[in-house]
Amino acid sequence: GAGVSQSPSNKVTEKGKDVELRCDPISGHTALYWYRQSLGQGLEFLIYFQGNSAPDKSGLPSDRFSAERTGGSVSTLTIQRTQQEDSAVYLCASSLGGANEKLFFGSGTQLSVL
Amino acid sequence: QKEVEQNSGPLSVPEGAIASLNCTYSDRGSQSFFWYRQYSGKSPELIMSIYSNGDKEDGRFTAQLNKASQYVSLLIRDSQPSDSATYLCARTHSNYQLIWGAGTKLIIKP
Repeated sequence: GAGVSQSPSNKVTEKGKDVELRCDPISGHTALYWYRQSLGQGLEFLIYFQGNSAPDKSGLPSDRFSAERTGGSVSTLTIQRTQQEDSAVYLCASSLGGANEKLFFGSGTQLSVL
Repeated sequence: QKEVEQNSGPLSVPEGAIASLNCTYSDRGSQSFFWYRQYSGKSPELIMSIYSNGDKEDGRFTAQLNKASQYVSLLIRDSQPSDSATYLCARTHSNYQLIWGAGTKLIIKP
């Protein structure tokens, strides 16, 4: 695709429900990142995928969070048993790989947990 | 202690003036630095990257890096209302990770 695509753009859920957020990176980009951004805050790293390597999950805040990337392309971030503190914008970014490469961000998913 | 520090602002600058945004960091081993611009309700986009001490210019934007003093700056000349946004500073943490500041909100007043 022309850019990084994320869906849904907005998600309102009730506390305790599970949610799935989807990211479709730019074709050919081997690196994929998930970040979380709370209002007025910087980007909090969640997870990183690079090609077929094992993902870096060190930023996931709890075991309620998980992510997968199928076929080296589309990624899904799953949050189980959502809590109110999970409310934030979840951003996906892709790049050609390496920290010096430009990150291309999707438009994000605004998650609101009631 | 945050690893990348930015003044949250808002920084208000009159149209046509120079906007100066600053960022300090704590890791002397950091090699690369980035400025991303984020409009309200939108995603970040890369404005400038800088790897060596000194200045790097791109149009109206100049990035300045001083590794000895551990700061990086972004200057915006001839500021326009369209420059009003939050500017995020980031540095490399590993060969694939970035550490991000919380951003400085810039307001250009017509």
